[in-house]
Amino acid sequence: EAGVTQFPSHSVIEKGQTVTLRCDPISGHDNLYWYRRVMGKEIKFLLHFVKESKQDESGMPNNRFLAERTGGTYSTLKVQPAELEDSGVYFCASSHRAGTGGYEQYFGPGTRLTVT
Amino acid sequence: DQQVKQNSPSLSVQEGRISILNCDYTNSMFDYFLWYKKYPAEGPTFLISISSIKDKNEDGRFTVFLNKSAKHLSLHIVPSQPGDSAVYFCAALLSGGGADGLTFGKGTHLIIQP
Repeated sequence: EAGVTQFPSHSVIEKGQTVTLRCDPISGHDNLYWYRRVMGKEIKFLLHFVKESKQDESGMPNNRFLAERTGGTYSTLKVQPAELEDSGVYFCASSHRAGTGGYEQYFGPGTRLTVT
Repeated sequence: DQQVKQNSPSLSVQEGRISILNCDYTNSMFDYFLWYKKYPAEGPTFLISISSIKDKNEDGRFTVFLNKSAKHLSLHIVPSQPGDSAVYFCAALLSGGGADGLTFGKGTHLIIQP
């Protein structure tokens, strides 16, 4: 079974530009999550999709970030316009939670974003 | 305000001995806890989890203990092997209401010495 994949693995952009990150979850997983780790800090939750619906976007830092999951399969996270503080590693995770527990989330390798 | 704390940034253990990684949390509403292992340039890999209705869960060399009254959990690895050298993250979850974002600690870098 293929794991969570993310593209690109690295992205270097200038301040003010736009970047779009992509995540393909494990096949059959309804839940998809985005997280971010800024250097030296903990991994922080950004948002959660259940199929194509945003279940919780309480972690999104501001309206420069837009996440979509059209059709309930892959997801994109767009940053527009990018700022220096957006630099970090963006992780995607997915889960197929059973009704009686099993909340494990499976992570992709991450996209390292550098804004210069 | 950090709700999940891993107070040891690093831990060095001799191969074959027991590794004990600790984690404290402040939010008493957390009811599910997970440990992840992370190698450089990779995403976190799920290791083991525990529900708040239990105090222990074991999977091979890995055991997680939960002390709800102390808001403390620990991960025991025995015996420790060289491949266990990695950063270990503790994460917590409020499982009700559908909001399933994990709250992570900052991680502990475990170094297994030969």
